[in-house]
Amino acid sequence: EAGVVQSPRYKIIEKKQPVAFWCNPISGHNTLYWYLQNLGQGPELLIRYENEEAVDDSQLPKDRFSAERLKGVDSTLKIQPAELGDSAVYLCASSRGEGPGETQYFGPGTRLLVL
Amino acid sequence: GQQLNQSPQSMFIQEGEDVSMNCTSSSIFNTWLWYKQDPGEGPVLLIALYKAGELTSNGRLTAQFGITRKDSFLNISASIPSDVGIYFCAGPSGTYKYIFGTGTRLKVLA
Repeated sequence: EAGVVQSPRYKIIEKKQPVAFWCNPISGHNTLYWYLQNLGQGPELLIRYENEEAVDDSQLPKDRFSAERLKGVDSTLKIQPAELGDSAVYLCASSRGEGPGETQYFGPGTRLLVL
Repeated sequence: GQQLNQSPQSMFIQEGEDVSMNCTSSSIFNTWLWYKQDPGEGPVLLIALYKAGELTSNGRLTAQFGITRKDSFLNISASIPSDVGIYFCAGPSGTYKYIFGTGTRLKVLA
């Protein structure tokens, strides 16, 4: 079974440019998460989807960040415009559903460097 | 807000040694998760704990849910080079949401 796929793996952009990250969750997983991981820190949740609905986006900086999961499968996270402080690893994870017993499976992440 | 503090922040050990690390919370948890993250990869769940006092093993790894429900411990026996990585604890923060600790970086000297 394929794991969570993310692309690109690395991205270098100049500040004020837009950037987008793509995630394909494990087949059959209804719940999808986007996390931000700063250097030396643990992941922090940005947004959680249940199918195509964003059920928790309280931590997403909506002035510059947006996300979508139009058909309840793939998801895209966008930053526009990017700032220097956005340099981090963006992790996508998926699980079969919600709930304490549902294991989240993480993708390898996209490493963003903003110059 | 809630915080998870992991100790130690990093450690060097000799291959074959046992390792202990812990995680403490400012509030009571009903679930503790332990993840390992290899360089360039996402975290992978190692062990999940669901009740106070629970002790669960996964091969050479053993994790325990502290009696106070504000802490958890992870032990690795007979460490090997592939144990290198960052170990994160995580606990629930709201509905279906988890917060992660700052990690313990393990480096094994062969």
